[in-house]
Amino acid sequence: DAGITQSPRYKITETGRQVTLMCHQTWSHSYMFWYRQDLGHGLRLIYYSAAADITDKGEVSDGYVVSRSKTENFPLTLESATRSQTSVYFCASSEGFYNSPLHFGNGTRLTVT
Amino acid sequence: SQQGEEDPQALSIQEGENATMNCSYKTSINNLQWYRQNSGRGLVHLILIRSNEREKHSGRLRVTLDTSKKSSSLLITASRAADTASYFCAPRGVDSNYQLIWGAGTKLIIKP
Repeated sequence: DAGITQSPRYKITETGRQVTLMCHQTWSHSYMFWYRQDLGHGLRLIYYSAAADITDKGEVSDGYVVSRSKTENFPLTLESATRSQTSVYFCASSEGFYNSPLHFGNGTRLTVT
Repeated sequence: SQQGEEDPQALSIQEGENATMNCSYKTSINNLQWYRQNSGRGLVHLILIRSNEREKHSGRLRVTLDTSKKSSSLLITASRAADTASYFCAPRGVDSNYQLIWGAGTKLIIKP
C-alpha cells in the first residue's frame, strides 16, 4: 500500500543505548521530516531532508543523527538515548516544500528508562 | 517564540453544532496549514491557505486567514462524532527558515 510507514510502533530502551527509528515512504516524495511530539508542546522539528544525501538540522537536533541514502528511507538514530528523548516521533514526507502538505506516519512511541 | 498558538486548548460540543478553533502566530508567513490528529495516530492534512488568500473551503471545513491580525480560524460545520480529534495550525513562517511552526493544538470532543 502507498503511504508512509514507521517502525517500530513502540520501543523501550535504556539510557545510553543507541536506537534507530525507521521511516519508509512509497510516494517518492523529495522532502522528508522527523518531528517529536511532547505533551504541552507542538511538533518540534528534529531533522529534514530535501533529497537523498541532503539533510539539515531542525530546532532540536542535538543527540540525533539521520541519513538518507535512498529517497524512500529516512532513518533517525539516537546515538546515546537519554530520558529527555522519551517522546512520540513522527516521520513525514511532502512532494514539494513551500505549498505542499505533509503526509505523516503513525508515529513511534519511544520510552527511555 | 514564533510558535503558532491554538485557542481554545479544549472544546466540547454537541453533535450537529459548529466548532470554531482559532490560531495566532507572530511571524510573517508564506502559508498556513491545518491538520487533524486522532488519538494515537499521525497528523492528517486538512487545508492549506496561502498568505494572499482570505478564505478557503473544503467540505464542512472553512478556514479564514487575517494576515494583518496574524490569525486564522477553522470552522467545522455540522460536527460529527468522527470529528473528535486534536486540531493543529501550522503557519509556514518567513522567519523560521520557512519551516512549519506548530502549536499545542485544540482538543475537540463531539458529544453524541
